[in-house]
Amino acid sequence: EIVLTQSPATLSLSPGERATLSCRASQSVSSYLAWYQQKPGQAPRLLIYDASNRATGIPARFNGSGSGTDFTLTISSLEPEDFAIYYCQQRYNWPPLTFGGGTKVEIK
Amino acid sequence: EVQLVESGGGLVQPGGSLRLSCAATGFTFSNYWMTWVRQAPGKGLEWVANIKEDVTEMRYVDSVKGRFTISRDNAKNSLYLQMNSLRAEDTAVYYCARDLVGSGTVFDYWGQGTLVTVSS
Repeated sequence: EIVLTQSPATLSLSPGERATLSCRASQSVSSYLAWYQQKPGQAPRLLIYDASNRATGIPARFNGSGSGTDFTLTISSLEPEDFAIYYCQQRYNWPPLTFGGGTKVEIK
Repeated sequence: EVQLVESGGGLVQPGGSLRLSCAATGFTFSNYWMTWVRQAPGKGLEWVANIKEDVTEMRYVDSVKGRFTISRDNAKNSLYLQMNSLRAEDTAVYYCARDLVGSGTVFDYWGQGTLVTVSS
């Protein structure tokens, strides 16, 4: 099973700042990594798939990069609605499909 | 508009059974892999099972194999999860989700979830 480790666990930033979230895989997942955003009481929302492809309707301030074992989600300038929990998920070697433990982006 | 609406959650005793349903509208259900993902209270996301559009492939996480069965009825645009021999650790919000990439592995639309609580 591929284990995804996200860091940091919590990121405290102000609106307008840049957020950089990391996801590290226990073995290579090539580019088969997705990112999801989840707000309290809501279902997850797909942001990025296959490392760098933005899903339909996702703003350009969300960017994904990386390959192999190290991936980054960058939010170029945080909007108030971006404060949420972010999960990465691999689809390279499954079952099982696996998610990271999440990074909470909170308002500083 | 794509909509997924789960139902069937509730309180069940350990060892009991429950059947979750997910009603799909706004897309051609029979063309998509579908998935169940769960989230224990205050915890992260866990993939549970998925099923191919033509029902020829089903996959499960090891912790539910032999206890849960994923199924679908394309005529009714519905996805199901039959859960037997439930354990306390199965307590979670269960989401159904649609696949984006044709392999059951990226989830572009999600339902609002249904809560399953396993407790005596």
